[in-house]
Amino acid sequence: SYELTQPPSVSVSPGQTASITCSGDKLGDKYASWYQQKPGQSPVLVIYQDNQRPSGIPERFSGSNSGNTATLTISGTQAMDEADYYCQAWDSSTGVFGTGTKVTVL
Amino acid sequence: EVQLVESGGGLVKPGGSLRLSCAASGFTFSNAWMTWVRQAPGKGLEWVGRIKSKIDGGTTDYAAPVKGRFAIARDDSRSTLYLQMISLKIEDTAMYYCVTYDKNRYYFDYWGQGTLVTVSS
Repeated sequence: SYELTQPPSVSVSPGQTASITCSGDKLGDKYASWYQQKPGQSPVLVIYQDNQRPSGIPERFSGSNSGNTATLTISGTQAMDEADYYCQAWDSSTGVFGTGTKVTVL
Repeated sequence: EVQLVESGGGLVKPGGSLRLSCAASGFTFSNAWMTWVRQAPGKGLEWVGRIKSKIDGGTTDYAAPVKGRFAIARDDSRSTLYLQMISLKIEDTAMYYCVTYDKNRYYFDYWGQGTLVTVSS
């Protein structure tokens, strides 16, 4: 079955850049989306179709996808960005989520 | 305002059955592709399955761990999505989210608050 692998955790200082990777076989041939989940809350879409931001999502969130890796970048990270982040893609008709990354803003 | 309200969760014994419901409002339910996503306590998100709109065929797809045990259905007249679960296993314990899916832009847009299913003896 198709798998998407993320680092378990990423730490970043306020104002710095956080990069979260998502690795999967030929992931660049698929669309990747990214979801943010804060404790006790439902997930929220932050990036879709590799690099598109939904309305209401700050410009500091950006994405890319090439080869076997999709990347979510948070520029000028703020304390409010501390959360779990999940990538997601489709393998034929099956949805697949990444393993998740906990972003800690130190 | 889009609202998705799940219900039907609870405690069930291994091997038991449960039906979850998701009452939708604020959008044209009959046109929507709907999905279920679950999250075991302290774990990551797991896609469970989806149902397309009737106009797109109304077909269903499921994740391997639930195929043959779970069934997704929709009642467009009631704007309600269902998840029928049978032969439940301990590893099915999770928060179950009802989620809309944008078929044109390939993302999950609106999420409910979830309903908790606990499978335990």
